[in-house]
Amino acid sequence: EDQVTQSPEALRLQEGESSSLNCSYTVSGLRGLFWYRQDPGKGPEFLFTLYSAGEEKEKERLKATLTKKESFLHITAPKPEDSATYLCAVQGGDYKLSFGAGTTVTVRA
Amino acid sequence: KAGVTQTPRYLIKTRGQQVTLSCSPISGHRSVSWYQQTPGQGLQFLFEYFSETQRNKGNFPGRFSGRQFSNSRSEMNVSTLELGDSALYLCASSLGVRSDTQYFGPGTRLTVL
Repeated sequence: EDQVTQSPEALRLQEGESSSLNCSYTVSGLRGLFWYRQDPGKGPEFLFTLYSAGEEKEKERLKATLTKKESFLHITAPKPEDSATYLCAVQGGDYKLSFGAGTTVTVRA
Repeated sequence: KAGVTQTPRYLIKTRGQQVTLSCSPISGHRSVSWYQQTPGQGLQFLFEYFSETQRNKGNFPGRFSGRQFSNSRSEMNVSTLELGDSALYLCASSLGVRSDTQYFGPGTRLTVL
């Protein structure tokens, strides 16, 4: 069974203090790794899709990277509006999406 | 382009009742997936429909079922509700290619009393 572990569970940052979130996974035949952002009471919002080790994608203050065993989401100079829960999901050989428990990020002004 | 819409947004039911939730995918998307999100278990995959056929299924009891219509809209049904079915039910749509990105709706918050 595919497994996704995200760390840390929670992260409190000062505005401008860069940090990284980790997503480690075990999957049989990775077809894709997905990052989502979820605000309280809302559905997950798509951020990135990574398909192969070495791939990187950027969007504003966020950058996602992928290795054969884990993915990182780097937040550079975060702002309070970056506060959210960040979810990582992998799609394996059976095409099902398996989600991690998420990392809740709080950015203080 | 309008996003994924789900109705109703909130629902309160009692144990033993049944419930039907509705999902309208993004225009042009042919695949619809359903997920259950709870604080204890996180986001868990229920099932996926493509071209009116169930293409994939998670590990949930038979009380959970779904269907998809010819216009790609989807419904999921939960029969004989239990307290543990209280959750946020999320629908996600994608174009239909199997490794495609899924876009989520706002969810339906179901409370079972």
